[in-house]
Amino acid sequence: GAVVSQHPSWVICKSGTSVKIECRSLDFQATTMFWYRQFPKQSLMLMATSNEGSKATYEQGVEKDKFLINHASLTLSTLTVTSAHPEDSSFYICSARVRREGHKEQFFGPGTRLTVL
Amino acid sequence: QKEVEQNSGPLSVPEGAIASLNCTYSDRGSQSFFWYRQYSGKSPELIMFIYSNGDKEDGRFTAQLNKASQYVSLLIRDSQPSDSATYLCAGSDTGRRALTFGSGTRLQVQP
Repeated sequence: GAVVSQHPSWVICKSGTSVKIECRSLDFQATTMFWYRQFPKQSLMLMATSNEGSKATYEQGVEKDKFLINHASLTLSTLTVTSAHPEDSSFYICSARVRREGHKEQFFGPGTRLTVL
Repeated sequence: QKEVEQNSGPLSVPEGAIASLNCTYSDRGSQSFFWYRQYSGKSPELIMFIYSNGDKEDGRFTAQLNKASQYVSLLIRDSQPSDSATYLCAGSDTGRRALTFGSGTRLQVQP
C-alpha cells in the first residue's frame, strides 16, 4: 500500500516556540498532501491542502501565517506551527492521495502529537 | 447541515454479532466513498472504498452504497473486540481535492 510517514511522532515544546512537522510519502510521489488537526474526541479537521511547488490552500479559519506549509518536493511536505501556544496542542495528521485503478485513495501518516506547555 | 453525517454512537454490539455503521451525504456529485477505522490516539486507517451502487465485500467487511438515497453503510460480520474503534465515513465532494469526513461513529464490541 501507499506509505506516509511523519516526524516527529510527538513533541513537547514551550509556549512561543516554533515546531516543524515533516510528512513524507515513502513509496510514491504526491503532488498534493493534506494537513489535518484533531482535538480529543473530535473529528478530523482539514487545515490546508499542500501543493508541490506552489502555495498551500488554507481552509477557512486557519491562519496561514501561523501554520506555515512548504511542499518543496514530490515526497515531502512540512507544517511549521509558529509561536505555538497551549491551544495549538493537538494531533496533527498529514495525508496524501494516490490514484489507483482510475480512482483516488487517501492515506494518512501516523500523526504527530503536539503538546505546548 | 454537515456534508457527511454519521451517528456518533457509541454503537455497542456483542462479540460475534454484525455491526452496522451508517453514513449519509449531501453532495450528489460525490463519486467515491471511503471507510476508515481510527483507534484512540492513532491516525485513520483505510478499510474500504466503494464507487458503485450496491455492495462490496472484503473479508468480514461489506460496504454498501445507495446513491439515490445518498447513503453509505459498513457492515462488520463476526465483530471482534479488536474492532472497537471509531469508524469514519468520507466522501469525495466535487470541487475539493481532500476527502470530506464525517465525525465518526464509535463502535464498542463487548466480549
